Amino acid sequence: DAKTTQPPSMDCAEGRAANLPCNHSTISGNEYVYWYRQIHSQGPQYIIHGLKNNETNEMASLIITEDRKSSTLILPHATLRDTAVYYCIVKGAGSYQLTFGKGTKLSVIP
Amino acid sequence: GAVVSQHPSRVICKSGTSVKIECRSLDFQATTMFWYRQFPKQSLMLMATSNEGSKATYEQGVEKDKFLINHASLTLSTLTVTSAHPEDSSFYICSARGAGALGNTIYFGEGSWLTVV
Repeated sequence: DAKTTQPPSMDCAEGRAANLPCNHSTISGNEYVYWYRQIHSQGPQYIIHGLKNNETNEMASLIITEDRKSSTLILPHATLRDTAVYYCIVKGAGSYQLTFGKGTKLSVIP
Repeated sequence: GAVVSQHPSRVICKSGTSVKIECRSLDFQATTMFWYRQFPKQSLMLMATSNEGSKATYEQGVEKDKFLINHASLTLSTLTVTSAHPEDSSFYICSARGAGALGNTIYFGEGSWLTVV
């Protein structure tokens, strides 16, 4: 699976949009981009995933660049409960193992 | 989304004893489950992949005789830490691959804190 690069930490004001970037320049054509988050002392929570098109669900939006070498997770209105470590993971369709990097620690500030 | 549950959420055991952690998929059948370990301030490290009805596949450096994994049914996998030592104290997390329409997504349990004293 392709490697991802994320900033180690970010701050976001409560109520504002949080935009978390991820670089995956070696992604191959059949690999998906997955986002999970881990709130302190809990198991990771699935957020969203995509292949080529932008995706949106009740939690977030995922914007994937046309060349698929990078993506951005958008939390439209961040709350204090969104403070967590966010992991961007690239995974092939036939692969079920997730390799976790260090992720981005998002701190939502009142 | 699918629900994966772990039990116990916290356990303290004496050095030299064994402890079992259960991982259940509550609303779907999971043919494949995964076990991770996470030390404080570190990322999750995959320990093993467990397929229902067959032997688990362990990652390099993980002792299969120390971390016994059983996946006897499509909704239950267990991790037994045998002859536990203080350095085995960690956060253990399981995950399960969804089935059918959920098949491309992996869902995680809440995690189990193990403290060996």
